[in-house]
Amino acid sequence: GAVVSQHPSRVICKSGTSVKIECRSLDFQATTMFWYRQFPKQSLMLMATSNEGSKATYEQGVEKDKFLINHASLTLSTLTVTSAHPEDSSFYICSARSGEGSYEQYFGPGTRLTVT
Amino acid sequence: RKEVEQDPGPFNVPEGATVAFNCTYSNSASQSFFWYRQDCRKEPKLLMSVYSSGNEDGRFTAQLNRASQYISLLIRDSKLSDSATYLCVVNGMGNTGKLIFGQGTTLQVKP
Repeated sequence: GAVVSQHPSRVICKSGTSVKIECRSLDFQATTMFWYRQFPKQSLMLMATSNEGSKATYEQGVEKDKFLINHASLTLSTLTVTSAHPEDSSFYICSARSGEGSYEQYFGPGTRLTVT
Repeated sequence: RKEVEQDPGPFNVPEGATVAFNCTYSNSASQSFFWYRQDCRKEPKLLMSVYSSGNEDGRFTAQLNRASQYISLLIRDSKLSDSATYLCVVNGMGNTGKLIFGQGTTLQVKP
């Protein structure tokens, strides 16, 4: 299957700082990437759909000014958590769509964010 | 009502047992269905797609019942390595490629 990388895998930051997470499709071009968040013992919750060359589409209840998404190339999408707070501590996972018309998604290994 | 519902379990079974997971979805217009496996503190990995005719991959069999809006996953001859959370996944609406995840069913296979 297709390979998606995510960096960093783990980050600890102080409250009020910003954190950038990168998601890369390594062996295919992804016009669409997705950002999810998963709290302990809960399901993945879609935060936003990232489209190459256009603005991201955010799910209801997700603050677009707090979670900045940039999808500047066909292989890279970034999520920046601005002014992070302890309640933003979570497992952030990106995925890339395998192709237009396909619902199969390939997931990155995730980023565990801890805000102290 | 949740869009995708699963019994969270946990299901505790001995090695070699057969175990079945069920999932229901709320949108009758859904077209694509998947089972993903997620190990603790790891990302989900695609286990298998679910087709209307049903499909089998080794010890794993998936079934879809569109009339009842019900998806199942059967695991035969359980192995210790099958211990994980199994996520039922259905496509979201529109052509955005969005997926809707169930809460997941936890399986623990014991020696």
